Amino acid sequence: AAGVIQSPRHLIKEKRETATLKCYPIPRHDTVYWYQQGPGQDPQFLISFYEKMQSDKGSIPDRFSAQQFSDYHSELNMSSLELGDSALYFCASSRGLAGATTTDTQYFGPGTRLTVL
Amino acid sequence: AQSVTQLDSHVSVSEGTPVLLRCNYSSSYSPSLFWYVQHPNKGLQLLLKYTSAATLVKGINGFEAEFKKSETSFHLTKPSAHMSDAAEYFCVVSAGANNLFFGTGTRLTVIP
Repeated sequence: AAGVIQSPRHLIKEKRETATLKCYPIPRHDTVYWYQQGPGQDPQFLISFYEKMQSDKGSIPDRFSAQQFSDYHSELNMSSLELGDSALYFCASSRGLAGATTTDTQYFGPGTRLTVL
Repeated sequence: AQSVTQLDSHVSVSEGTPVLLRCNYSSSYSPSLFWYVQHPNKGLQLLLKYTSAATLVKGINGFEAEFKKSETSFHLTKPSAHMSDAAEYFCVVSAGANNLFFGTGTRLTVIP
């Protein structure tokens, strides 16, 4: 079965540079979530999109922005990178229903490992 | 508010012995609860989920978890550990169709 695809898998950037991470959800999934997992830490929710609209926002820095496109893929744009942005960035997708009272399962991609030097 | 507490940061068991990974949750709503596993340098894989159906949930690779509302617990068990079970395990809670809240993880070591 098709899974969530993330690209690139590894990315090395220098401080103050920009980075763009891409996420391709499972076919027919309309909701995308972004998580950041720092070294030795648990994943922290950043932001989510349902039907191309932002649906929820977590601890995403103002330097980061994201969007979901008409084909449901999503991109996380990161500017003015800092050393502390080095982390594993996961994308997850689900069949979300706006206003639903139950959570559909989120399926995670393999992650993009970002290293900021 | 939703949160989970994983009571052990590290669990070590011998191969072939039972596994118990403990998780307590806090939720203002009827929660959905999940266990995810993360192998080294890999992504997060769903083991099982509870969404207010049967309280005993069976997952992949022989794992199961029991939802106990009176104890606000959702412990993960497996009768017999295998070397391939060595990984980081995350207990996760969600309420509503929104983001997941992860526990801090339990690292499972399996001793040959």
